[in-house]
Amino acid sequence: GNSVTQMEGPVTLSEEAFLTINCTYTATGYPSLFWYVQYPGEGLQLLLKATKADDKGSNKGFEATYRKETTSFHLEKGSVQVSDSAVYFCALRPAGGGNKLTFGTGTQLKVEL
Amino acid sequence: GAVVSQHPSWVICKSGTSVKIECRSLDFQATTMFWYRQFPKQSLMLMATSNEGSKATYEQGVEKDKFLINHASLTLSTLTVTSAHPEDSSFYICSSHSPDYGYTFGSGTRLTVV
Repeated sequence: GNSVTQMEGPVTLSEEAFLTINCTYTATGYPSLFWYVQYPGEGLQLLLKATKADDKGSNKGFEATYRKETTSFHLEKGSVQVSDSAVYFCALRPAGGGNKLTFGTGTQLKVEL
Repeated sequence: GAVVSQHPSWVICKSGTSVKIECRSLDFQATTMFWYRQFPKQSLMLMATSNEGSKATYEQGVEKDKFLINHASLTLSTLTVTSAHPEDSSFYICSSHSPDYGYTFGSGTRLTVV
């Protein structure tokens, strides 16, 4: 079946540090890949997505590249801010139809001054 | 953009009572609604998928008689937790899917059963 594996958190960084949150997946074909962000007490917001191999999703300084050869979709940001503190979820939508998302376990990011 | 309004944002109820959570899609039609449960510091667990006008499809291990889902219109889906017990305390999130807007998540409902 489909699965998403994320690095465990929490990840604690100083403001302006470089961020990487690893995400790898298991799925057949070419699933669509997503990063969602969840702030405390809130639902999920789409951060970025990529629908085919080598696509790069980007938003608000965050980037992730769909790597089919390594089945990865790592999230990166060059300079984090305190306001980026949240939980980040990697997710996939299977190829060939179907709307169910499979989520990773989430990675909590804490950014300190 | 698309917005899904989820209410209430938090609720406290007594054991044995029922609680209804609503999710409304604003200004768009949600052909499919997903209901998730999230335990503290854990990922989202899909409970069920509902399509407008048809019965919900429940994931394995989810009691359909306990978690009643109704998707009576393209803009409203409800989850009713019946005869709630403390172990049902959790964060419940709905998510719509539409061809035009993709996935849109509600803001979640924190349920505490005392």
